This record gives sequence, C-alpha cells and structure tokens, in this order.
Amino acid sequence: KAGVTQTPRYLIKTRGQQVTLSCSPISGHRSVSWYQQTPGQGLQFLFEYFSETQRNKGNFPGRFSGRQFSNSRSEMNVSTLELGDSALYLCASSRGLAGGTNTGELFFGEGSRLTVL
Amino acid sequence: KNEVEQSPQNLTAQEGEFITINCSYSVGISALHWLQQHPGGGIVSLFMLSSGKKKHGRLIATINIQEKHSSLHITASHPRDSAVYICAVRLFQGAQKLVFGQGTRLTINP
Repeated sequence: KAGVTQTPRYLIKTRGQQVTLSCSPISGHRSVSWYQQTPGQGLQFLFEYFSETQRNKGNFPGRFSGRQFSNSRSEMNVSTLELGDSALYLCASSRGLAGGTNTGELFFGEGSRLTVL
Repeated sequence: KNEVEQSPQNLTAQEGEFITINCSYSVGISALHWLQQHPGGGIVSLFMLSSGKKKHGRLIATINIQEKHSSLHITASHPRDSAVYICAVRLFQGAQKLVFGQGTRLTINP
C-alpha cells in the first residue's frame, strides 16, 4: 500500500512569491493534517481537513491556506512568502470516521522542504 | 511555559543500554503520540496512547493520565535507534490538532 506522498520534496522561492504544496494521503484515508517544522519553533500544527472540510486551524496568519479535494488529496498554499516561512512542511493522513471521530494513527509523508531567499 | 515538555533534550548512550524519554503536558488531552524522526525529516508514528501501556518490539510507551506524564522506553538500544523522538498530544477528541514537545535527540554509540 503506497504511503503518503508529498510534492515537491524541495523548492526554493523568493520573498513575495507564493507556493503550493501537495499531499496525497494513503488510499482510503479521509483526514489530512499539515504541520510546519522549523529549527526555532519545532513542529507546529497548521490545519486539518476531513472530507473536504477544514476542521481545525493552528495559529498561523491568513497567508497560509489549504484545501482538500474529493479524492482526499490536499494542497496547502502560502502567499507573499517571508524568510521565516522557510521550513519543512509535513502532511499526515489518517483514516477518520464518518462522524468525525478519528482513530488517530497518523502516517506522515517525507515532507516538502521550502527555502525562501 | 510550553504545554508539552520533554526530557532530556539530548541523550547519548552506549549500545545495549536501557533508554527512557519523558513527556509531561499541562493540558487535557484525548491521546498522546510518540513520533520518531530520522535525519532527512521523515516522521514515523511509534505509538498512540490514551491510557496504560503499549509495546512494539524493543519499544515500550506508558501514559499516566492523572499525572499528565508519558514515558518512552527503549530496551537493548542499538545505533539504528539514533533519532529525534517527539511527544505530541492531541487536544480533543476527533481532531488532529497536535501540540508537540521540542523533541529528544538520542544518539546510541556502538
């Protein structure tokens, strides 16, 4: 069974540009969550999607957004990039249940490493 | 003060030693995760706990909900166990909003 796939794995952008990152969850998983990892702040929760609906959002500015498609694939977008957005962006998928209750076991992708110059 | 605190931050041990990493949290949780991150960034979920104890091979995780504390133990440690171990708590049922500890960097020398 294929794991969680994130693309691109590495990318370099300049300040002011925008970026879109993609996450394909494990087949059958309906919940996708996104995290940012930096040396200074460690891992931080960005947002979570379940069945195309955002269920939770972390404490990030509105420049960070995301969406989930009907096939459970998810994208996150960062607009007007700042130097501090340089980070490893990780997504994780889990099975989720119809009522929104989640079994919780997470499967992570390898991450997308963003460098902002 | 962080909501999730791990100790120690760094740990170096010899192959074969028994390893303990601790995690304390200050908020109500629905579950706690132990994660392993190797150089290069990939994260593997080792355990998800809401009570008691779980064991996978040489790894054992325990949680005491009343004391808001969890431990990860590694028996017969091996150099391939060298990684960063991260504790993360899920704040409420049915969500993946996790709050992470700062991680424990474990190095096992042969």
